[in-house]
Amino acid sequence: GDSVIQMQGQVTLSENDFLFINCTYSTTGYPTLFWYVQYSGEGPQLLLQVTTANNKGSSRGFEATYDKGTTSFHLQKTSVQEIDSAVYYCAMSPNSGYNKLTFGKGTVLLVSP
Amino acid sequence: AQTIHQWPVAEIKAVGSPLSLGCTIKGKSSPNLYWYWQATGGTLQQLFYSITVGQVESVVQLNLSASRPKDDQFILSTEKLLLSHSGFYLCAWSPSDTEVFFGKGTRLTVV
Repeated sequence: GDSVIQMQGQVTLSENDFLFINCTYSTTGYPTLFWYVQYSGEGPQLLLQVTTANNKGSSRGFEATYDKGTTSFHLQKTSVQEIDSAVYYCAMSPNSGYNKLTFGKGTVLLVSP
Repeated sequence: AQTIHQWPVAEIKAVGSPLSLGCTIKGKSSPNLYWYWQATGGTLQQLFYSITVGQVESVVQLNLSASRPKDDQFILSTEKLLLSHSGFYLCAWSPSDTEVFFGKGTRLTVV
């Protein structure tokens, strides 16, 4: 079945540090890949998405490249800020016609000033 | 612009009591609608989806049911709550095969 793997449960950084969150996926075909961000007490918000293999998505300084060869969609940011503290979810949609999003377990990002 | 409204914001309910959570989407006709559940500290799990009025498909079985009585309304309910139903319930919508937009959620505590 479809699955999304995020191994990092929590990442703790200082401001201006480099951020890298691992995400790998398993499915058949060519899924659409997403990163969602969830702030405390709120619903997830779409951060970025990529529909085409080997393309890059970017938003608010975050980037992720859809690598079909390694089935990965790692999230990166060159210089994190305290306001980036949140939970980040990698997600995948197999494009089956109704958006069955499969989410990873989420990574809690804590950024200290 | 499209808006999604969930109610209530939070609920504290007794085991065995009934539950009804609601969601309304404005500004978009015939959206795909979804219910997701998130256990405390856990990931998001899709419960139901609906492509059209009156049709709802179950994705996982959690002793819950869902209905879509109107094009812009999605209801999640059960007649008897379990302790395991506690968590964060999120309604979401998508135009079609594109990104999914989430509501602000309902925090349910079953005691």
